[in-house]
Amino acid sequence: DARVTQTPRHKVTEMGQEVTMRCQPILGHNTVFWYRQTMMQGLELLAYFRNRAPLDDSGMPKDRFSAEMPDATLATLKIQPSEPRDSAVYFCASGLVQGAGNSPLHFGNGTRLTVT
Amino acid sequence: SQQGEEDPQALSIQEGENATMNCSYKTSINNLQWYRQNSGRGLVHLILIRSNEREKHSGRLRVTLDTSKKSSSLLITASRAADTASYFCATGRVQGAQKLVFGQGTRLTINP
Repeated sequence: DARVTQTPRHKVTEMGQEVTMRCQPILGHNTVFWYRQTMMQGLELLAYFRNRAPLDDSGMPKDRFSAEMPDATLATLKIQPSEPRDSAVYFCASGLVQGAGNSPLHFGNGTRLTVT
Repeated sequence: SQQGEEDPQALSIQEGENATMNCSYKTSINNLQWYRQNSGRGLVHLILIRSNEREKHSGRLRVTLDTSKKSSSLLITASRAADTASYFCATGRVQGAQKLVFGQGTRLTINP
């Protein structure tokens, strides 16, 4: 059963440290999304890629966050330097989009980040 | 920014009863999707309805879409304890349909 894999599942770090979250999308999917979930803000779209090219990262604080897809099997989300307000669950999701249409997203189980 | 707003925020019913959750949105959409999230897990896709469809069924799930009112509803019939979860609607806009924007969710509790 194909699934999106995220690592690590949990990360506790001190303020100022760099954090890297990784995602392996489902093989064959051409879109990858990064979402952040908090109680206050709900699910926020941070960035998304189509065919490894970034299409929209307007939801991401550019000064500290960066998202990349070095290859089709790996997406990364980095925070440098991390701050306590970055504490949240970060989800990666992938989907197969054809043309201008849409598709269901398949989510990983998230990375729970705590910045102290 | 949030596009969909679910209503109610929380719903608690007895096992066997039907559960109805609503979603309202603001801009024109290409499609609307419903997802379920169990505690500590990622979201799971339930059903997708396109803007030219009015109703869709999948097992015990029934989704309706009223584009004139910019609203959708999710009905779960004959609820089970395993249906306890948070339910989210997500909209894909006409421009950039693949960019899904999620609402805040409805927390559903099924009491045995």
